[in-house]
Amino acid sequence: GAGVSQSPSNKVTEKGKDVELRCDPISGHTALYWYRQSLGQGLEFLIYFQGNSAPDKSGLPSDRFSAERTGGSVSTLTIQRTQQEDSAVYLCASSLFSGSSETQYFGPGTRLLVL
Amino acid sequence: GDSVTQMEGPVTLSEEAFLTINCTYTATGYPSLFWYVQYPGEGLQLLLKATKADDKGSNKGFEATYRKETTSFHLEKGSVQVSDSAVYFCALSDGFNKFYFGSGTKLNVKP
Repeated sequence: GAGVSQSPSNKVTEKGKDVELRCDPISGHTALYWYRQSLGQGLEFLIYFQGNSAPDKSGLPSDRFSAERTGGSVSTLTIQRTQQEDSAVYLCASSLFSGSSETQYFGPGTRLLVL
Repeated sequence: GDSVTQMEGPVTLSEEAFLTINCTYTATGYPSLFWYVQYPGEGLQLLLKATKADDKGSNKGFEATYRKETTSFHLEKGSVQVSDSAVYFCALSDGFNKFYFGSGTKLNVKP
């Protein structure tokens, strides 16, 4: 079956521009997660959605970052006024339910480069 | 805050060697613990998990035991294969839907 998909797979942008990253979770999965992986670093938890709600946004690095989820499905991570330190791989994952023991299924990631 | 520390790589082994990748954690509550693996050119996928102390997770010949007394979740395999070459990530969930990942350990297995 279809897994988690993300688009675009690669994005190059100029400093100061806005970017939108898209995640399509596995159909029927209620929980959706966004992570950032900088070069040589582990995954940094950004935000999660249960349905369309994001109960905890404290992982977002700054107020330039925002995320939404519509229809309990597709999610968009938006970075405004991009900075060079935003360059990273952005990963999305989904799970059937939210919960600490649930298995997450990861997408291939969007590689963002800010020049 | 909660965190995960895992051994730095790369780890290079010959085929059929014994593998240990160390992982220790810091958590205020009762976390669940995971090992995820990323094969070359693929996305992260769950390898195994343990949800409470003394649980042992196992899959594909890999094992890890949730040790609360040493706050560890070391990954082991008795005989690695070339196909096990990948990056391995230790992770915990704090019970509030926040997940913390280690920085990953790259394993290279030579024939």
